Amino acid sequence: DTEVTQTPKHLVMGMTNKKSLKCEQHMGHRAMYWYKQKAKKPPELMFVYSYEKLSINESVPSRFSPECPNSSLLNLHLHALQPEDSALYLCASSTHGVLAGGPNEQFFGPGTRLTVL
Amino acid sequence: GDSVTQMEGPVTLSEEAFLTINCTYTATGYPSLFWYVQYPGEGLQLLLKATKADDKGSNKGFEATYRKETTSFHLEKGSVQVSDSAVYFCAQLRAYGGSQGNLIFGKGTKLSVKP
Repeated sequence: DTEVTQTPKHLVMGMTNKKSLKCEQHMGHRAMYWYKQKAKKPPELMFVYSYEKLSINESVPSRFSPECPNSSLLNLHLHALQPEDSALYLCASSTHGVLAGGPNEQFFGPGTRLTVL
Repeated sequence: GDSVTQMEGPVTLSEEAFLTINCTYTATGYPSLFWYVQYPGEGLQLLLKATKADDKGSNKGFEATYRKETTSFHLEKGSVQVSDSAVYFCAQLRAYGGSQGNLIFGKGTKLSVKP
């Protein structure tokens, strides 16, 4: 298995809803990432998990809550989002933890298209 | 600070034309460099990479050479196809500092290839 999968593909939610995004990889990768991508912009890093521990939080609002239950799975819990949070949410993984150095390329999933009403 | 600058798009070409998308970087140390491609409605796919100076990455007819002297990593393809229409992102992997291991993206270049 050489891919990163994300579910759901599309999600529409109200500002009072609670929902979760799921990301999975079975490549034995030790770092996993959440990115947010607005239209016609590059991805913006949100969170990094390295060896199942939160390594980087890029000052993301607390209405986004990441979770890494095991080395293959990464969740993003959503609560009380705003319409401006509507975006494509991308998950990625890489072979080594983030401080390993070297050509630690990231492999991306197809994304979840989130719309907040 | 570390950054990636790539040519503004959109770029519109006819099928079988030659493609160049310019990319330059500023970095502390010697980062690994990447080109990612994003087709409409999809996530990013790694197109090619280079990890040290003078390395040439290649894939699906695309090539890019890591030029330390000009801090560049230009993407080229000799003959584009309609199916190459997508957004192309140049990126570097930060090598040092508190955000070591983070990808730094350029703004992206949209390529449209007409039949």
